[in-house]
Amino acid sequence: RKEVEQDPGPFNVPEGATVAFNCTYSNSASQSFFWYRQDCRKEPKLLMSVYSSGNEDGRFTAQLNRASQYISLLIRDSKLSDSATYLCVVNWGSSNTGKLIFGQGTTLQVKP
Amino acid sequence: DAGVTQSPTHLIKTRGQQVTLRCSPKSGHDTVSWYQQALGQGPQFIFQYYEEEERQRGNFPDRFSGHQFPNYSSELNVNALLLGDSALYLCASSLLGQGGNQPQHFGDGTRLSIL
Repeated sequence: RKEVEQDPGPFNVPEGATVAFNCTYSNSASQSFFWYRQDCRKEPKLLMSVYSSGNEDGRFTAQLNRASQYISLLIRDSKLSDSATYLCVVNWGSSNTGKLIFGQGTTLQVKP
Repeated sequence: DAGVTQSPTHLIKTRGQQVTLRCSPKSGHDTVSWYQQALGQGPQFIFQYYEEEERQRGNFPDRFSGHQFPNYSSELNVNALLLGDSALYLCASSLLGQGGNQPQHFGDGTRLSIL
């Protein structure tokens, strides 16, 4: 089993659509979680942290289910500029040591 | 406020050679982590440096080594290069003093090609 698993996609959606990405992780002791965005041939950039109670940042909503070891990202009202790869990231283990384990990434293509 | 800077941006080497990649962390950060990203994959953790010591390591062979300097900058060295070492090498920095759960900031990466 992969440490962090994501559906690689690609997800092809029209502008204005709502799209959801899912991610599972294998280390139940992990304490902090993130979504990063990576544009083609660029570095990953932090999109948002994921909190236990769920959190929202504009059109983006992240959810965490610790019991199921499951993380999600919802994007509402998709824009062309949202086209990118979305990386699910887990700060591995109970100590929050900064060892980040990345999923393979899910590719989103928003079309006019 | 300078972000994470890496050099060089691109590098071409042949099998068996050695390479050194460099990273300067974001101003105010004290921890540097290195990642390898193969095409179509997510970044893989190589190791992390804090207070000039390797603090933790991923599943990479001893051919991969590193160093952190007193000014917090860091180097990644790879010996006896293999074709499979071709990848984007990313450096990320953070401030460990605020807790290991702080987000890491990435540099643009060094694209290494092995011929």
